Order: sequence, then structure tokens, then C-alpha cells
Amino acid sequence: DGGITQSPKYLFRKEGQNVTLSCEQNLNHDAMYWYRQDPGQGLRLIYYSQIVNDFQKGDIAEGYSVSREKKESFPLTVTSAQKNPTAFYLCASSIGVGMGTDTQYFGPGTRLTVL
Amino acid sequence: AQKITQTQPGMFVQEKEAVTLDCTYDTSDQSYGLFWYKQPSSGEMIFLIYQGSYDEQNATEGRYSLNFQKARKSANLVISASQLGDSAMYFCAMREGGGATNKLIFGTGTLLAVQP
Repeated sequence: DGGITQSPKYLFRKEGQNVTLSCEQNLNHDAMYWYRQDPGQGLRLIYYSQIVNDFQKGDIAEGYSVSREKKESFPLTVTSAQKNPTAFYLCASSIGVGMGTDTQYFGPGTRLTVL
Repeated sequence: AQKITQTQPGMFVQEKEAVTLDCTYDTSDQSYGLFWYKQPSSGEMIFLIYQGSYDEQNATEGRYSLNFQKARKSANLVISASQLGDSAMYFCAMREGGGATNKLIFGTGTLLAVQP
């Protein structure tokens, strides 16, 4: 089955530790995205990548880093510089910019709690 | 600046009835796209329906339809014949950038509860 997987579903870390969230897709999509969701709010874009080895900052990139070494994978690292990292993180992918509606499809999310 | 507004924090609807979830948007772009997503309690965002700014017909997908009123900058989601499984958060989103990027801006969502 084609889709987007995120692991782990729940993640606990101590304050000051970096943590990496995994996102893998087998949809052969060029574009991938990371969003953050806080309680009672919509999604906010952290980083996005339109092609391998290239990515751009979204609206709330401070304290986060990403890499895009493979088309299928777009891991997100939450660094110790992120002031309030506890949130629900969602990864998405789409065929590619300029391709029809270019709908974004989402993974199941990772809930990160920093203690 | 582009913005999505969902003014209904929560809605109730009886099973089998229709419900309308409101969404208004603000943009200066001529070309844009509007999306609706469903987020059940499990957390995953499920794509429901899309409307392009140049589409003359309202989009429909099964029991979902989008009431697109361009002059009023509204893109309301209509769910017909509500089912218990429709209980979830619903988010309206807009693609900005005129197609050069695919950045989505989300509203704050509406929590729909379907009552038996």
C-alpha cells in the first residue's frame, strides 16, 4: 500500500536534547512538508522540500532542521534551540509544485512531549 | 497577507442531516486553491475536497460539496446525510503563492459532533 509513515507515534524527550522525527513516503512524490500543530490551532509550516537535496524554511523554522537526501525521506530534527517543542508534528507529501491541484497527503503524525 | 478564517469552533448535527462548515479567506492572488481536510481523533489529516479559484463549478466528492462564492471569498464545506463517523475536526486551507510553491495556510478548524 502506498502512503506516508511517521515514526514513532509518541515520543518523549528531556529538555535540551535534540530529537529526530522520521517521515517516509512511497508515493513517488517530489515534494514533502513538515507541519506543527498546537492544541486548538491549525497547522503551521516548518520546512518544505520540492526536490531532493533542496529545502526551504516555512513560517516557523527556528529551532528545527531538515535534510532531503532521498526522495522517499524527509526527517525533521527538533533541536534544543526550539523554545516550546511539545506539539503534534505532521509530515505531508505531494506530487510536485505545478502538477495539477498538487494536493498534500498527510502521515499519521508524531506527538512529541518534552519533559 | 493571506488568511483563512473559520468562525465556528464547534458544531452539532443530527445523524442523516446536512451541515455547513464555514470558511472565509483573504488573498490578493488571482490564482489560488482551497482545500478541506478532516482530522479524526487519531490525528491524521484526511483530504476531502479541492476548489481552484478559476473553477466555475462547485467541487463535489461524494457526500462532500464545496459552496464556493468567490466575490464573498467564502468556501464553505457542506456534508450531506451526516454519519457518526463524520465526527472530527475539519480544517479549511488555502494554497498561496500562485502555484510557485505549494505552501498551505490553515484555519483554526471546526469540531463537528454528529449526534445519533
